[in-house]
Amino acid sequence: QVQLVESGGGVVQPGRSLRLSCAASGFIFSNYAMHWVRQAPGKGLQWVAVISYDDSNKFYLGAVKGRFTISRDNSNNTMYLQMKSLRAEDTAIYYCARGQYGSGSFLDYWGQGSPVTVSS
Amino acid sequence: EIVLTQSPATLSFSPGERATLSCRASQSVSTDLAWYQQKPGQAPRLLIYDASIRGTGIPARFSGSGSGTDFTLTISSLEPEDFAVYYCQQRSNGLTFGGGTKVEIK
Repeated sequence: QVQLVESGGGVVQPGRSLRLSCAASGFIFSNYAMHWVRQAPGKGLQWVAVISYDDSNKFYLGAVKGRFTISRDNSNNTMYLQMKSLRAEDTAIYYCARGQYGSGSFLDYWGQGSPVTVSS
Repeated sequence: EIVLTQSPATLSFSPGERATLSCRASQSVSTDLAWYQQKPGQAPRLLIYDASIRGTGIPARFSGSGSGTDFTLTISSLEPEDFAVYYCQQRSNGLTFGGGTKVEIK
């Protein structure tokens, strides 16, 4: 069965960096686009970034462009989100999600999320 | 950026009732729209994509309709496990979510 497991979250001071990982199993990882979506405490969902199945295209939410970098390792079925210059407003649960085969932009499987708190 | 508006923010129903949720786009998204369900402490789950196609394993009581700028998610008869928050999402231009509608027990 499809599984997505995030790790790497935690508490970090403003201006510092953090790297999230998303380990995938149960499907052919290299065939699918992958996304990061976040949810601030008590708020709705906010898309953050997407990476194409073959790492050839990456797109970002405007508020994180230049600070966050999405990447993937298809040989190890893992996706990453490198976050730099973190701000209080980046505090959220970060979910990795699989893009649906074909469209790539409907999210058919989600991990359980990794909480990130940016606070001094 | 395409803005998706879900109103009202909260709807109250009794189990067994029919629920109709609305999602309005700031410009046409054709049928490039999905619906998700999220329960407290859980990740979202894909219910409907391409405006009207049920996702894998989604019960038939969930249905979606609409095109262009106005979309509807209908739950024909609410089960206890359906009380949750529902989000719409478009992929026509970038990827954005609506603010969500909470379906609560009356």
